[in-house]
Amino acid sequence: GAVVSQHPSRVICKSGTSVKIECRSLDFQATTMFWYRQFPKQSLMLMATSNEGSKATYEQGVEKDKFLINHASLTLSTLTVASAHPEDSSFYICSARGFRGHTNEKLFFGSGTQLSVL
Amino acid sequence: DQQVKQNSPSLSVQEGRISILNCDYTNSMFDYFLWYKKYPAEGPTFLISISSIKDKNEDGRFTVFLNKSAKHLSLHIVPSQPGDSAVYFCAASRNQGGKLIFGQGTELSVKP
Repeated sequence: GAVVSQHPSRVICKSGTSVKIECRSLDFQATTMFWYRQFPKQSLMLMATSNEGSKATYEQGVEKDKFLINHASLTLSTLTVASAHPEDSSFYICSARGFRGHTNEKLFFGSGTQLSVL
Repeated sequence: DQQVKQNSPSLSVQEGRISILNCDYTNSMFDYFLWYKKYPAEGPTFLISISSIKDKNEDGRFTVFLNKSAKHLSLHIVPSQPGDSAVYFCAASRNQGGKLIFGQGTELSVKP
């Protein structure tokens, strides 16, 4: 099956640091990538949707200047948490789908990044 | 506002028995429902789906039931195997490719 690679798997950083998370589609071209956040014992919440070559669309309540998303190529999207604070500590996960699948059955997830901001 | 709810955070079942995972939703505009399975240190993977025009979909040991009037769906795994031990997420969308709204997940443990 399709593979989406997400790095790093875990980040511990000091408050005020910017953190970059990468999401790569390894064996398909990802036309659309999604970024989610999950707080403990809560559901995966969609943060933003990005289409290759265009600006990301953010969900209500998600600060675009705080969570910078770049989808510059068909195989790579990055999420940068700018000036991270303890309240940004969460599990972040990406997903991607390509030309052959526009349904959610054809959505492939990365393994996630646990961010801890001290 | 939690539109998709999985009220059981965990479930423990004996190998060979049936596992039943439940999910409730509030938005009547949802017309497509999916179950994803997640192992530790891996991303969720698609398991089975159902359209609102159906009330049952079966794939091998996995069956999803949809009760639209009750806004409830369930995933049945029969017979349960130790390899089924994982976190199961229910998700809903307004069409097959629409924005996914996830439940909180249920951790299934199948004991040998």
